[in-house]
Amino acid sequence: DTAVSQTPKYLVTQMGNDKSIKCEQNLGHDTMYWYKQDSKKFLKIMFSYNNKELIINETVPNRFSPKSPDKAHLNLHINSLELGDSAVYFCASSPGQRGQTQYFGPGTRLLVL
Amino acid sequence: KQEVTQIPAALSVPEGENLVLNCSFTDSAIYNLQWFRQDPGKGLTSLLLIQSSQREQTSGRLNASLDKSSGRSTLYIAASQPGDSATYLCAVLQTGANNLFFGTGTRLTVIP
Repeated sequence: DTAVSQTPKYLVTQMGNDKSIKCEQNLGHDTMYWYKQDSKKFLKIMFSYNNKELIINETVPNRFSPKSPDKAHLNLHINSLELGDSAVYFCASSPGQRGQTQYFGPGTRLLVL
Repeated sequence: KQEVTQIPAALSVPEGENLVLNCSFTDSAIYNLQWFRQDPGKGLTSLLLIQSSQREQTSGRLNASLDKSSGRSTLYIAASQPGDSATYLCAVLQTGANNLFFGTGTRLTVIP
């Protein structure tokens, strides 16, 4: 199936741990994104990469570090997890940088205890 | 900074009714506007994308309109069905930006 996939789907972990979320798209898109959806269901951009280069880096703690090994993958590593990091993290991709439909992954539900 | 608001936050209608969801944005310098659907525990599915030069887009029972000058968009759903129950999100791509600004969503329930 052609799609945007994320692993894991659920992640429960203790405060202070380091965790990674992986995202892959097989749509041949050039641009990938990470969004965070908080407990009030509000979606906000975190990062965006175009052809492995960072183009958006919103104000997020530097404990969050995206990595794009190739244009089909954009992983999110989180250090020293905090309670407030609990949220749903969505990966998305689009054919180009601007103006085109973004395709979203199913989300990773992170719960920090 | 762009702010996107959706009213109402929640809406319940009986099956078969036509309904309108509203989206407003504070900065009219947008490149396009998208409507998404989010089912509980799932990701987002793009429904319609309207470029800033367009006034409306239609897909099946869905019709989205855009009035850029007044900072408003509506999503019209005709003959609603229980399967339409979901949260509907609008998002704008601001001119000069690369990311979407999302609204707060409208949670729709269509009662059989």
